[in-house]
Amino acid sequence: AQSVTQPDIHITVSEGASLELRCNYSYGATPYLFWYVQSPGQGLQLLLKYFSGDTLVQGIKGFEAEFKRSQSSFNLRKPSVHWSDAAEYFCAVGAGSSNTGKLIFGQGTTLQVKP
Amino acid sequence: KAGVTQTPRYLIKTRGQQVTLSCSPISGHRSVSWYQQTPGQGLQFLFEYFSETQRNKGNFPGRFSGRQFSNSRSEMNVSTLELGDSALYLCASSGDRVETQYFGPGTRLLVL
Repeated sequence: AQSVTQPDIHITVSEGASLELRCNYSYGATPYLFWYVQSPGQGLQLLLKYFSGDTLVQGIKGFEAEFKRSQSSFNLRKPSVHWSDAAEYFCAVGAGSSNTGKLIFGQGTTLQVKP
Repeated sequence: KAGVTQTPRYLIKTRGQQVTLSCSPISGHRSVSWYQQTPGQGLQFLFEYFSETQRNKGNFPGRFSGRQFSNSRSEMNVSTLELGDSALYLCASSGDRVETQYFGPGTRLLVL
């Protein structure tokens, strides 16, 4: 069965420090992978996505993620964190073929940013 | 383009009642998916509608149902509410090639 694991429930980093949020997936075929961010009381905002091609994808707000098939990972990175990045981050895999709308989400990682 | 809108934003119901939530997708989007978010279970897929037909369904009891109208607006209904149905219900829309889903702000349901 498809699944997504985000090993870190909570991460604290200092403002200006680099960030890496981990995501591992289990999926039989080539996955469609996503990172979303959720601020308190809000919906989900798409940060970036991977479907095929270049394994390093760029997203909004200075985020990037690298798809590593051999490790079944899709880790999110940012070189310098801003206080406004404090939020909950979700990794997701698109379940099924490209024409279905079902996403399977990880449990989320809460990012706290220290001044 | 306007984003995905959901109404109402907040709702309080009592056990045994039923509730209907509404979602208006981004203009031109024909796929609408619904998710339930709770602290314990996280984000779970409820169902997806495409061109008025349910295309995918998650593992939720039959009390959870939905429909989609010809203008792609979607509603979900929960009958015989239970305390455990308290959650944030998120709707997402996408185009014909369901590559990227765009989420609405959600409806926060509290069941007392």
